[in-house]
Amino acid sequence: QSVLTQPPSASGTPGQRVTISCSGSSSNIGSNTVNWYQQLPGTAPKLLIYSNNQRPSGVPDRFSGSKSGTSASLAISGLQSEDEADYYCAAWDDSLNVWVFGGGTKLTVL
Amino acid sequence: QVQLQESGPGLVKPSETLSLTCTVSGGSISSYYWSWIRQPPGKGLEWIGYIYYSGSTNYNPSLKSRVTISVDTSKNQFSLKLSSVTAADTAVYYCARDRRYYGSGSYYRRLDYWGQGTLVTVSS
Repeated sequence: QSVLTQPPSASGTPGQRVTISCSGSSSNIGSNTVNWYQQLPGTAPKLLIYSNNQRPSGVPDRFSGSKSGTSASLAISGLQSEDEADYYCAAWDDSLNVWVFGGGTKLTVL
Repeated sequence: QVQLQESGPGLVKPSETLSLTCTVSGGSISSYYWSWIRQPPGKGLEWIGYIYYSGSTNYNPSLKSRVTISVDTSKNQFSLKLSSVTAADTAVYYCARDRRYYGSGSYYRRLDYWGQGTLVTVSS
């Protein structure tokens, strides 16, 4: 069981906006910044959002992140077929002294 | 552009030691933390531990008794050893740069560059 909680699946049609939630606790999301990763089938995770809402160079502005208290969200607007992937949230946990991840959300573009 | 590449045996026998190396190119291993993460087939991500370029380490308590991470700055490499492996250690193993810094009154952390991953199967 993962320390951060994500819905196992999400879906949307092309052009739609979808959001993926990530719930944690005071020792991880509540105390530290949240990062989001996109994992396309058969590839390594790729940093999508860092420091709650920052996009690395090259990541489209269709992707956005937010954090409030002990929860965070990833939003994808203008959904495209190439967005079909697994998405993971991650944060440092000050109590466990480890990186903790969500269980991952499989996004399907219908 | 920083690139990481994992290397090592793809098959390890039960009770033996898994050994992997991560080679960093396009940048220096100095001044950064470096992590190992694994992903069992069809499952989520599990952080194994990190090493600072100076050699200080921090391991996941769930694996601490079996894990050793070391660094060779002269080769721009860091390595993972996991002892007494079982089938439960079968996974894709990733190395990643673990960027940490303090600024504007807050501590920032992210695993920003990842290797492509290498599948290690534990089987006799």
